[in-house]
Amino acid sequence: RKEVEQDPGPFNVPEGATVAFNCTYSNSASQSFFWYRQDCRKEPKLLMSVYSSGNEDGRFTAQLNRASQYISLLIRDSKLSDSATYLCVVWALTGGGNKLTFGTGTQLKVEL
Amino acid sequence: DVKVTQSSRYLVKRTGEKVFLECVQDMDHENMFWYRQDPGLGLRLIYFSYDVKMKEKGDIPEGYSVSREKKERFSLILESASTNQTSMYLCASSLGTESSYEQYFGPGTRLTVT
Repeated sequence: RKEVEQDPGPFNVPEGATVAFNCTYSNSASQSFFWYRQDCRKEPKLLMSVYSSGNEDGRFTAQLNRASQYISLLIRDSKLSDSATYLCVVWALTGGGNKLTFGTGTQLKVEL
Repeated sequence: DVKVTQSSRYLVKRTGEKVFLECVQDMDHENMFWYRQDPGLGLRLIYFSYDVKMKEKGDIPEGYSVSREKKERFSLILESASTNQTSMYLCASSLGTESSYEQYFGPGTRLTVT
């Protein structure tokens, strides 16, 4: 089983739609959770952290469910510029120190 | 702004060649990382370093080595390149252990081994 699993998509949605992605993780000792965004042929960049209480940043809402070991990202009022791959990322303490584990990403395509 | 630069955007090497990939960050970050990214496999950690002259193996260190002689520079070395090392290589840095979740990535080096 992969440490971090995501639906690869693509999710094709019209502009203005609401879209949600889920991600599951296998390490129950994982400490912190994040969403990174990666544009085509570009490097990943941190989008937002995910807190147990849920957190919002403009049109983006992230939530964590520790009991079920999944995190989610909700994007409201999708824009063309939201088209990208969204990487679910988990931070855990390992034998060699703190380590990020990246999911393979979910591709979003926002269309006119 | 944090800047992470990598020596080449595209590189073509022959099987058996020794390959050096250089990464430099300009924000005095303690931590530096090397990943490779392949379709369907995502980013996989090759090596990382929390300090000068210190290195730790990641998930897929076989066939690679690293060097960190200066804080700002982290080099990835392919001792004898093979075709299965054709990939996108991404370097990243982060401020310190407590904040190592926020990593800043370089633009990547697309390496092709023929």
